[in-house]
Amino acid sequence: AQSVTQLDSQVPVFEEAPVELRCNYSSSVSVYLFWYVQYPNQGLQLLLKYLSGSTLVKGINGFEAEFNKSQTSFHLRKPSVHISDTAEYFCAVRGNSGYSTLTFGKGTMLLVSP
Amino acid sequence: SQTIHQWPATLVQPVGSPLSLECTVEGTSNPNLYWYRQAAGRGLQLLFYSVGIGQISSEVPQNLSASRPQDRQFILSSKKLLLSDSGFYLCAWSVLISGYQETQYFGPGTRLLVL
Repeated sequence: AQSVTQLDSQVPVFEEAPVELRCNYSSSVSVYLFWYVQYPNQGLQLLLKYLSGSTLVKGINGFEAEFNKSQTSFHLRKPSVHISDTAEYFCAVRGNSGYSTLTFGKGTMLLVSP
Repeated sequence: SQTIHQWPATLVQPVGSPLSLECTVEGTSNPNLYWYRQAAGRGLQLLFYSVGIGQISSEVPQNLSASRPQDRQFILSSKKLLLSDSGFYLCAWSVLISGYQETQYFGPGTRLLVL
C-alpha cells in the first residue's frame, strides 16, 4: 500500500514570488507520481507526472517537480506565481503493481495575493 | 481526443431518496473507470473502480453501489441517501500502458447535497 503526505494545508504567497508545495510518499514498491490542480467547483486537472526517466519533470502552467527517491519526495515548484494559480493542489502516487490504485494526499490550498 | 462527461453537475436530494450519477467517456476503448468522493477538508476517497464491463471493485463499505453497463459508461447509485453522502463526486478514466503506467483523467464532477 502507498500513502501520501502533503505537509501544508495552505500556502499563502504574493504574486510573482516563488512557491514550493511539499509532497512526501511511502511505498513498498516503485511508484509513479502525479500532481493535480483543482480550481473551485471543477474536476482535477493533471499538472505533471513522473513515470520514469528524468527526475525533473516539467508540467503545464510553468510548474515543475523533482522526484527524489532517497527522500521519498515529489515537491512541486514554480519560480513566479500568478493570481490565477490560486487553487488546490493534490499530490498522488500509484505503485508499480497491477493491484495498485491511485492514492491522493489531502491537498494544499495555494493562495496567491497581489 | 478523449473527453469525459458527468451529469448532473449539481444535485440536491432529500435524505432517503435514491441516487443515480452518470459518467461517460468518449474517444477511448476499454478504459479503467473510477468513482471518487471529495468531502470538505478530506481529500479524495476512492469509492469504486472498474476494469471492464460488469467488473466493479469496491474500496469502502457504504450505501453506494456502482455499475458499468457499457464499456464507456459508469454509474453511481444509492437506494437511500444519507446526510453523509453529501460531497463532490468525481469520475475518472485511465488506460494502462507499458507495465503499470497509468494516468487518470478526471471529469468535471457532480456536487451532491443531501438535506
